Amino acid sequence: DTGVSQNPRHKITKRGQNVTFRCDPISEHNRLYWYRQTLGQGPEFLTYFQNEAQLEKSRLLSDRFSAERPKGSFSTLEIQRTEQGDSAMYLCASSSLAEPAQYFGPGTRLLVL
Amino acid sequence: GEDVEQSLFLSVREGDSSVINCTYTDSSSTYLYWYKQEPGAGLQLLTYIFSNMDMKQDQRLTVLLNKKDKHLSLRIADTQTGDSAIYFCAESFSSNTGKLIFGQGTTLQVKP
Repeated sequence: DTGVSQNPRHKITKRGQNVTFRCDPISEHNRLYWYRQTLGQGPEFLTYFQNEAQLEKSRLLSDRFSAERPKGSFSTLEIQRTEQGDSAMYLCASSSLAEPAQYFGPGTRLLVL
Repeated sequence: GEDVEQSLFLSVREGDSSVINCTYTDSSSTYLYWYKQEPGAGLQLLTYIFSNMDMKQDQRLTVLLNKKDKHLSLRIADTQTGDSAIYFCAESFSSNTGKLIFGQGTTLQVKP
């Protein structure tokens, strides 16, 4: 198992553009989480899936953000009409029901110009 | 409410022990975690402890939990330059889906 993977690793975009990030969790992990981390801060929870169902969304997740996990495997996070305040590291994590630990991917660093 | 606090910076000499501290406010936390983050990288899980335990040891790492004072610490024995990183504590709760609440991180600087 290669762990959680995220693509792309870096993304630079202009304000107003849409971006999409992908996360591939550890195989057989049925829980998947998205977090956002800004410079000098700890990660903040955005949303959570159990299999294909999105079960919780943070109030940080404005209506410009949408996340999917269509087949209960990989997940995508889309940000529409990006703003400079969206610049951050977007982290994905996965876990299994058998263990409380969440394993993180390397993150996607977004810069909105 | 949910709040996790850490001191921002710790500097030690190589070979010394490091102790990184964390306080949390919500007594309903079920698990407490320590993660390590190197520059530009994701978070690496170091260890976690169930809230009804007092201590957990894993090689050079010792976690102490004082539930009465809501205080968690991570001790790294024989600290090496490769231990230089940001360390985050985090908590999860039984009442929700397992999302983690993180502190702001402690930067550990190890001097040779």
